[in-house]
Amino acid sequence: GAVVSQHPSRVICKSGTSVKIECRSLDFQATTMFWYRQFPKKSLMLMATSNEGSKATYEQGVEKDKFLINHASLTLSTLTVTSAHPEDSSFYICSASSILAGKTVDTQYFGPGTRLTVL
Amino acid sequence: DQQVKQNSPSLSVQEGRISILNCDYTNSMFDYFLWYKKYPAEGPTFLISISSIKDKNEDGRFTVFLNKSAKHLSLHIVPSQPGDSAVYFCAASKSYGGSQGNLIFGKGTKLSVKP
Repeated sequence: GAVVSQHPSRVICKSGTSVKIECRSLDFQATTMFWYRQFPKKSLMLMATSNEGSKATYEQGVEKDKFLINHASLTLSTLTVTSAHPEDSSFYICSASSILAGKTVDTQYFGPGTRLTVL
Repeated sequence: DQQVKQNSPSLSVQEGRISILNCDYTNSMFDYFLWYKKYPAEGPTFLISISSIKDKNEDGRFTVFLNKSAKHLSLHIVPSQPGDSAVYFCAASKSYGGSQGNLIFGKGTKLSVKP
């Protein structure tokens, strides 16, 4: 159980375009979803936290107008990188957690990640 | 300032032996700790966690030890298997139960288990 999928797994786009990444919890209802970014040889950095039906909470230094997060249902969250630039190239990973399953929100289940390359 | 530190970027262990991965933290407010395993180009997989009210948690071949006074935790894998070869991330959280889930990750330790 606790499977999280991400789509696409890999995307290459031109500078200035927007890219949408989907994160789905396949076998549980995710009350909270998180978006992380991993830079080469560095750890995962939390970008934002989103609860279903409410606005995302962004970490300091993350531009909310550039990284649009929508958590429309208990099984789907999307991250849209708007007007992408080469410096946005990175590995984006989502995770999901659920207090409905009797676990704490700290037990997060991660998706497989999306490799974004902006040319 | 890094709040969660994994000072060993890599570790090599012989199959069948014990692997010990270490993690130190600086923030005494952390009260929940997790270990994740990550293969290249994949998302992290949750392994095991421990709350600050415990000093040990065991799940099969994986045991996590917590030393609050030293602000140190370790993950023991025994016996180690080649399939355990991956990057292991230590993560910490500030408020158990009511947390917004803001996990602070270490930089990871790459474990190589040799046959």
